[in-house]
Amino acid sequence: DIQMTQSPSSLSASVGDRVTITCQASQDIRNYLNWYQQKPGKAPKLLIYDASNLATGVPSRFSGSGSATDFTFTISSLQPEDIATYYCQQYDNFPLFGGGTRVEIK
Amino acid sequence: QVQLVQSGAEVRKPGASVKVSCKASGYIFTSFVIHWVRQAPGQRLEWMGWINPGNDNTKYSQKFQGRVTVTRDMSASTTYMELSSLKYEDTAIYYCARGNREWDYWGQGTLVTVSS
Repeated sequence: DIQMTQSPSSLSASVGDRVTITCQASQDIRNYLNWYQQKPGKAPKLLIYDASNLATGVPSRFSGSGSATDFTFTISSLQPEDIATYYCQQYDNFPLFGGGTRVEIK
Repeated sequence: QVQLVQSGAEVRKPGASVKVSCKASGYIFTSFVIHWVRQAPGQRLEWMGWINPGNDNTKYSQKFQGRVTVTRDMSASTTYMELSSLKYEDTAIYYCARGNREWDYWGQGTLVTVSS
C-alpha cells in the first residue's frame, strides 16, 4: 500500500512569510497529487491539482511542484486568511490523504 | 452552480447502521465519480469509497469493505453511503466529494455520532 508522509505536522509563521509543506509518497505516483485547504468546521477546498495546477479562483500565492515521490506546496506570502490545515492527497490508486499540516500565525 | 447537499446529523447506537445522502445539482450527474470520505475528531481525512453514477461501479477502501455500501438514485441525482455495524470510533464527519481526479466540489459534511 502507498504511504503518504506529510511534514511538518504544524508550523507557525509571520504574515508575509514564505511557507513550504512537503509530501512524500512511498512509491511513484507520477503527478497524481492534489493539495487541499481545510478551515475549522468546513469541508476541504481544492487548491492545487495534478501536483502543480492552480484550481479555479485560487490566489496565485499558492503553488505546488514535484513528481514521482516528492512534492512541495508553497504559500509565497502568508496571509491571515490562510490559517488552516493543509492536506496532500494522492489518487494514483486508492485515494489517500497525508496527515495534514496546521498553519498558524506567529 | 454545482452543489452537493448532504443530509443532516445522525445519532446511532453501537451495532446499528446509518445512511447518509448527497444530492448533486448544477452539473451532469453521470459525468463525475462521487467519493465518500470521513474525518474523525482531530484526525486526517480518510477515504471510504466511490461510485460512478454513470455505470454504478463502486470501489471501497479495504478498511471498510463489508461494512460500507455506496449507491445512487439516478432520478434524484443522489448518492448514498450506508455504514453498518457501527462502533464508537465511527463517530466522525462524513463528506461526499465530486471528482474523477481532482475533487473540486464537496458536500457540507454530515456528523454521525455513535453513542449508547
